[in-house]
Amino acid sequence: AQKVTQAQTEISVVEKEDVTLDCVYETRDTTYYLFWYKQPPSGELVFLIRRNSFDEQNEISGRYSWNFQKSTSSFNFTITASQVVDSAVYFCALSDSSGGYQKVTFGTGTKLQVIP
Amino acid sequence: SQTIHQWPATLVQPVGSPLSLECTVEGTSNPNLYWYRQAAGRGLQLLFYSVGIGQISSEVPQNLSASRPQDRQFILSSKKLLLSDSGFYLCAWSRPESGGETQYFGPGTRLLVL
Repeated sequence: AQKVTQAQTEISVVEKEDVTLDCVYETRDTTYYLFWYKQPPSGELVFLIRRNSFDEQNEISGRYSWNFQKSTSSFNFTITASQVVDSAVYFCALSDSSGGYQKVTFGTGTKLQVIP
Repeated sequence: SQTIHQWPATLVQPVGSPLSLECTVEGTSNPNLYWYRQAAGRGLQLLFYSVGIGQISSEVPQNLSASRPQDRQFILSSKKLLLSDSGFYLCAWSRPESGGETQYFGPGTRLLVL
């Protein structure tokens, strides 16, 4: 069975600090996909990134970066120089490789508060 | 580009009343469609998904039902609401692929059952 663990329930940082959100996953599949979503106070989930299990390259997009390590089954998300607009709940998610319907398992989310 | 709409945005309903939430997707054809519920301060629970018109799969048995009368329309319904049906309902779509479909979410409907 798939499982996604986001052990950090809530994190508070002061603006301009760097922050890392942890994500640990479990799957028996050799092919799988990992995602991060942002849920601002408005409620809509915003897609941030998708990674497949064969691509372990870290990715950077502006102030956002992702560290994928299969050896530790982790897909951590770092925000550099955090801003108040980064305040949101962040969800890590995992889907398997079966054809047809793709079941996505979401973590319970990490609430990030950036204090000005 | 693709867009996904949900309405209403907020809804307050008495216990025992019916429910109808609508979701429509524009800019794509034959999407996979999903209904999720998010209880306050908690994660997402998949309720229903659909891979085509009239094809509905339920993930959690409950007093809710879903229908897909048109390719890009997904409806969540209930004949009699319960207090426990309160929550934030999110519709999502994905483009059918061989693996790792990205789900894109709508703005959500906040439902309060009193």
